[in-house]
Amino acid sequence: QQQVKQSPQSLIVQKGGISIINCAYENTAFDYFPWYQQFPGKGPALLIAIRPDVSEKKEGRFTISFNKSAKQFSLHIMDSQPGDSATYFCAASLAWKNTLTFGKGTMLLVSP
Amino acid sequence: GAVVSQHPSRVICKSGTSVKIECRSLDFQATTMFWYRQFPKQSLMLMATSNEGSKATYEQGVEKDKFLINHASLTLSTLTVTSAHPEDSSFYICSAVGQGLTEAFFGQGTRLTVV
Repeated sequence: QQQVKQSPQSLIVQKGGISIINCAYENTAFDYFPWYQQFPGKGPALLIAIRPDVSEKKEGRFTISFNKSAKQFSLHIMDSQPGDSATYFCAASLAWKNTLTFGKGTMLLVSP
Repeated sequence: GAVVSQHPSRVICKSGTSVKIECRSLDFQATTMFWYRQFPKQSLMLMATSNEGSKATYEQGVEKDKFLINHASLTLSTLTVTSAHPEDSSFYICSAVGQGLTEAFFGQGTRLTVV
């Protein structure tokens, strides 16, 4: 599997602030880039996903920015809330049906 | 969204015994199911991919005789950890994709502890 590099490993943000998590990939054939949110002891849940034909996708407080030439994509969480405290994983795949390659995850803590 | 149910959520077993974990798609037909393993504070590592009615495809380094995967129907896949040892203790997660769906749905995971 091709590697997906995720940073930072952990992040502390104050309530109301912007949380930014970055990912970089190597395989230019990837065409599906989802972000997952995982709470302790639970399975991951899809947060938002993007395909390389757009540079940005926004859903509520969550935005994905995608830079195809740099092979990078990022998750922005606006107005971060304590309830957003979780581990976030970026992933990439050749298509939504194919196997996902996950980043190593970012533990986000939003302080009250 | 579609629901994937995983059972049990937690299991403790003695070393040398076998444990079966079930993964069910409750409201859709899962053409493909995936099994992952996750160690504490680490990412998900794909163990195998299973398509209904065919043998599972295992990732490199995953022992197929130790981790038996069966996908006998479009709504059920099982992972059996055979002759479990303490080093098999981990969080096991399944996911499923189905026709007409645009994303993979994950189960809630199973915490396996081998004592």
